[in-house]
Amino acid sequence: EPEVTQTPSHQVTQMGQEVILRCVPISNHLYFYWYRQILGQKVEFLVSFYNNEISEKSEIFDDQFSVERPDGSNFTLKIRSTKLEDSAMYFCASLRIAEAFFGQGTRLTVV
Amino acid sequence: QQQVKQSPQSLIVQKGGISIINCAYENTAFDYFPWYQQFPGKGPALLIAIRPDVSEKKEGRFTISFNKSAKQFSLHIMDSQPGDSATYFCAASSDFGNEKLTFGTGTRLTIIP
Repeated sequence: EPEVTQTPSHQVTQMGQEVILRCVPISNHLYFYWYRQILGQKVEFLVSFYNNEISEKSEIFDDQFSVERPDGSNFTLKIRSTKLEDSAMYFCASLRIAEAFFGQGTRLTVV
Repeated sequence: QQQVKQSPQSLIVQKGGISIINCAYENTAFDYFPWYQQFPGKGPALLIAIRPDVSEKKEGRFTISFNKSAKQFSLHIMDSQPGDSATYFCAASSDFGNEKLTFGTGTRLTIIP
């Protein structure tokens, strides 16, 4: 069964450093999302991406965040200057006819 | 208005019992209500979903009950098994699921022998 793949599974970074989280969505899906989940809390929407542009973003998705689909298959989330409060699980999801498929997540730890 | 409220926060049920998790929403634009199951260290996985044109949907041991006038929906897990122990999230979306998901706060379910 096709699946959404995320790398790395765990990333530790120093505060102020840039990180790039990578996702390979399911190939025939058209809508892509990033969500985050702070430990023990609910899953929160960050951004949606369709037709090579952002279609919606939350108030969490400030100027420190950006998304790209650099080569037509990968979907990346970049955090320019990480803060301690960016520590969370980041999930990529892709959508086919209302069903969102989530990746396994990247655990980002900012120290 | 975008929130989805979920209860209880945690639930312990004996094996073979019925697990019930409740959610409520405010935004009347929501028209798609999925439940996600999440095991530790894994991403959420779609369990079952309902649209507001029906009041109940059943898939195996899992049933969603939906009350449109009360803006509430619930997940019932019949004959609960230890393998059902996980965190369950309700969610809501509009455009029949083609918009972003708004998640509830999650319920940690533990099934004891």
